[in-house]
Amino acid sequence: QKEVEQNSGPLSVPEGAIASLNCTYSDRGSQSFFWYRQYSGKSPELIMSIYSNGDKEDGRFTAQLNKASQYVSLLIRDSQPSDSATYLCAPRGYNFNKFYFGSGTKLNVKP
Amino acid sequence: DAGITQSPRYKITETGRQVTLMCHQTWSHSYMFWYRQDLGHGLRLIYYSAAADITDKGEVPDGYVVSRSKTENFPLTLESATRSQTSVYFCASRGVPKDNLSGNTIYFGEGSWLTVV
Repeated sequence: QKEVEQNSGPLSVPEGAIASLNCTYSDRGSQSFFWYRQYSGKSPELIMSIYSNGDKEDGRFTAQLNKASQYVSLLIRDSQPSDSATYLCAPRGYNFNKFYFGSGTKLNVKP
Repeated sequence: DAGITQSPRYKITETGRQVTLMCHQTWSHSYMFWYRQDLGHGLRLIYYSAAADITDKGEVPDGYVVSRSKTENFPLTLESATRSQTSVYFCASRGVPKDNLSGNTIYFGEGSWLTVV
């Protein structure tokens, strides 16, 4: 079983719609959770982090965490073509250096 | 603010040759990492370093060597390159977390595209 599972996609949504990206993780000791965005040919960049169960909103992005279900998600409201990228989920356990990344979900936002 | 710089950005080498990928960061971050990224596998941790002269293995360390004589530099060496090491390599760094939850942002370099023929 992989440490972090993400649907590879591609997930296609029309411009203006809500994109929902999901991630499950196996390490119950994971304390904090990060979403990175990676454009094709570029390096990953952090867009959201969440530490507590529930929702965390930042602009058009909302991260949702359910530790009991070992599930974290990222919602992108009013999706734009510029949101088209691969989104990587990265839970972090007690060991600060055990930063596992999912394989990522590719998102296509169609104009 | 230069951040993290990697060199070379693109490299083609032959099987069996030694290759060194360089990584330099200007933030004085304690922690540095090397990841490789391949289709279907995502980012996999090769080696990491908590400070100068302190390094440890990640998920896929075989065939790689690292060193960290200075805080700002973390070179990755492929001692005898193989075709399976064709990949995109990302160097990353992070400062010391302020507490158990915060200060964990990892910053990535632009990547080094390595092809082994």
